[in-house]
Amino acid sequence: KAGVTQTPRYLIKTRGQQVTLSCSPISGHRSVSWYQQTPGQGLQFLFEYFSETQRNKGNFPGRFSGRQFSNSRSEMNVSTLELGDSALYLCASSFGGANTGELFFGEGSRLTVL
Amino acid sequence: KNQVEQSPQSLIILEGKNCTLQCNYTVSPFSNLRWYKQDTGRGPVSLTIMTFSENTKSNGRYTATLDADTKQSSLHITASQLSDSASYICVVSLLSNDYKLSFGAGTTVTVRA
Repeated sequence: KAGVTQTPRYLIKTRGQQVTLSCSPISGHRSVSWYQQTPGQGLQFLFEYFSETQRNKGNFPGRFSGRQFSNSRSEMNVSTLELGDSALYLCASSFGGANTGELFFGEGSRLTVL
Repeated sequence: KNQVEQSPQSLIILEGKNCTLQCNYTVSPFSNLRWYKQDTGRGPVSLTIMTFSENTKSNGRYTATLDADTKQSSLHITASQLSDSASYICVVSLLSNDYKLSFGAGTTVTVRA
């Protein structure tokens, strides 16, 4: 069974640009949640999608957005990039939901903003 | 204040030795507690997940314990190997239909030969 796939693995952007990250969950999983991880803040929840609907959202500005497609694949977008957005962005899939089901993480997308 | 506190922040151990990591939480009502291992630059991997009714759960050389009364959990690594060098993250789930996961800051373990 294939694991969670995130693309791209690494990317470099400049301030003011926007970026789109992709996450393909494990087959059959309907929940995809996104996280930002920085050395100083640890793992922080961005949002969770379940069956194409945003179910929950963390405390991030509106520049961070996401969506989920009918095949459960999810994308997150960050607009007007800032230096502080440099981080490892992780997505996780689960069968029932992030709160109750086991989370399976992808390898992450490492974003560097210059 | 973070609802999940992990200690120590980091530790160094010699290969073959045992170590114990601590996780204290204030989340209530409690649903489940999870331990993840994260290698540098990789995504976290689940080690154990325990509900409030479970006291201990093992995964190979990793054994997690849970005391729901004192709101404490520990992760014990037996006969450490170089591959155990990683960050170990404690995650506590609130009993809720909404997303209610609280993450600890993690403990960085370095195993030296």
